[in-house]
Amino acid sequence: ILNVEQSPQSLHVQEGDSTNFTCSFPSSNFYALHWYRWETAKSPEALFVMTLNGDEKKKGRISATLNTKEGYSYLYIKGSQPEDSATYLCAFFNYGQNFVFGPGTRLSVLP
Amino acid sequence: GAVVSQHPSRVICKSGTSVKIECRSLDFQATTMFWYRQFPKQSLMLMATSNEGSKATYEQGVEKDKFLINHASLTLSTLTVTSAHPEDSSFYICSAEPGQGYTEAFFGQGTRLTVV
Repeated sequence: ILNVEQSPQSLHVQEGDSTNFTCSFPSSNFYALHWYRWETAKSPEALFVMTLNGDEKKKGRISATLNTKEGYSYLYIKGSQPEDSATYLCAFFNYGQNFVFGPGTRLSVLP
Repeated sequence: GAVVSQHPSRVICKSGTSVKIECRSLDFQATTMFWYRQFPKQSLMLMATSNEGSKATYEQGVEKDKFLINHASLTLSTLTVTSAHPEDSSFYICSAEPGQGYTEAFFGQGTRLTVV
């Protein structure tokens, strides 16, 4: 059974704070690591698809890094805004074509 | 961006009846679609991988005779919950990818199923 973990489970930050969360996944047979943002009452929205060890991707104030050898990815949010409040999911995809989601990190940004 | 449409968004049915959920990719062809279930306070759990023109691949513990998946075209996959029971009440969501794993997945809006 593939195990994808995310930490912390939930997070409360003040507007303007920067924050980061972690996704841990099996390091063997790695194919891709996805990050999604899931706002309440909406569909999950893709943030990043990362495939190469050492990848760093950025979209506005959000960025992510990937370490496939040790099996983790970090998601960073700089200067958090209330609209960043959502659940952030990572999903691990391996060569066996298993697609496993982590439990998510629920972020609340307080104005 | 690409759009995946899922219907219905919410359904209440009586125990013992069947419910069909549709997932359509509106502006791209999806050779593969995925069906997930989410119980309260839990993560998305992959139920099955739906391949166009062939039988779906079910994850361990998912009853293929209870959760019938049909992927008749490159833009439509359906999930039918047969003989639904209260324990099947959950949030079901589909996703589709233009490429397998190396491209982002596009999700439907999800279906909240309540079996009474």
